[in-house]
Amino acid sequence: AQSVTQLDSQVPVFEEAPVELRCNYSSSVSVYLFWYVQYPNQGLQLLLKYLSGSTLVKGINGFEAEFNKSQTSFHLRKPSVHISDTAEYFCAVRYSGGYQKVTFGIGTKLQVIP
Amino acid sequence: DGGITQSPKYLFRKEGQNVTLSCEQNLNHDAMYWYRQDPGQGLRLIYYSQIVNDFQKGDIAEGYSVSREKKESFPLTVTSAQKNPTAFYLCASIGGGAVDTQYFGPGTRLTVL
Repeated sequence: AQSVTQLDSQVPVFEEAPVELRCNYSSSVSVYLFWYVQYPNQGLQLLLKYLSGSTLVKGINGFEAEFNKSQTSFHLRKPSVHISDTAEYFCAVRYSGGYQKVTFGIGTKLQVIP
Repeated sequence: DGGITQSPKYLFRKEGQNVTLSCEQNLNHDAMYWYRQDPGQGLRLIYYSQIVNDFQKGDIAEGYSVSREKKESFPLTVTSAQKNPTAFYLCASIGGGAVDTQYFGPGTRLTVL
């Protein structure tokens, strides 16, 4: 069965500092990996996704993530955060074959401190 | 513009009443999903449908029911059997391709008084 672990429930960081949000997954088959962002009382918006190919994936708002198959990780990074990045971030995994179930982590709340 | 709409944004109901949450998409997507979101628990799958007139239980289906009579619509009914229905409900859809992204609606916050 697929599962996703987001190791930090909350991450405070000062404005203009770098940030890394951690995500590990477990699966015995090939997967697709996603990061979503959610602002208060809104739906989820896709930040970036890894399907295949280059392990470094660039997304919107200056975010990027690196797929590491040996460590089963897909950590999200941004070199310099802005106040507007304050939100909750969800990592998600989906099997690459057929069935379209998506499994989400519990989320990481990023709080950018001015 | 294509997208997913959920209505209403906020919904209040008395305990013991059934309530139906609307989800409509004009993306021509085959698969649709309902998730429940509670603080600190992420998103949990309630029901999903991969094609019209077919749907499957997710991880927390008890106390919920759905229908899929049209491709663009996937309403969720929260019944009186759901013991703790107050939550944020999110509808999502995926297109037919194997690498398609899951798109989300804006959500409905249900409060049972």
